[in-house]
Amino acid sequence: DAKTTQPPSMDCAEGRAANLPCNHSTISGNEYVYWYRQIHSQGPQYIIHGLKNNETNEMASLIITEDRKSSTLILPHATLRDTAVYYCIVKTVGLTFGTGTRLQVTL
Amino acid sequence: DTGVSQDPRHKITKRGQNVTFRCDPISEHNRLYWYRQTLGQGPEFLTYFQNEAQLEKSRLLSDRFSAERPKGSFSTLEIQRTEQGDSAMYLCASSLGGIRDGELFFGEGSRLTVL
Repeated sequence: DAKTTQPPSMDCAEGRAANLPCNHSTISGNEYVYWYRQIHSQGPQYIIHGLKNNETNEMASLIITEDRKSSTLILPHATLRDTAVYYCIVKTVGLTFGTGTRLQVTL
Repeated sequence: DTGVSQDPRHKITKRGQNVTFRCDPISEHNRLYWYRQTLGQGPEFLTYFQNEAQLEKSRLLSDRFSAERPKGSFSTLEIQRTEQGDSAMYLCASSLGGIRDGELFFGEGSRLTVL
């Protein structure tokens, strides 16, 4: 199973873009990258996923490098409600969550 | 609300007792997952079902743990002879499977405290 590496914590000012990096250097060619987040005391929430191309939805954008060894989740205009732990996951059966990045959005 | 529901939300029990958690997935979802989460850690995969078939079990799922999904709808997770180390949040999730099997919808979890 490919493993991911994320910084343990990040801060972002409200209204600014939050860029959350993830390294997955051992990813295989057919493995997808998924992002989830978990707001305190709630179950994880699916955000976005991708294979090779950049992806965008109503929540976020996902930028995957050409060699697929890393990716960045972008929250274009972070709000206080985006404060959460963000997990980058390389898809296996039964997603393997690491410890994620704790994003703190501040005023 | 048509999301994933879990019951009970909180359970306090004494060591050695048996506990059972129930999960009702989103109705059209054929995959159902169980996870365990302890403080400060990400969710850990325990097991998953495709309809009523249990297809994979983590080595974290000791002999004291058993999960069922008898009719391919709701699922139960039973822990026998609970130990203090079983104290955790037990999360259930469901997905459509197929090309969307990585898009999991999680419930709010069942928090277990073993005294």
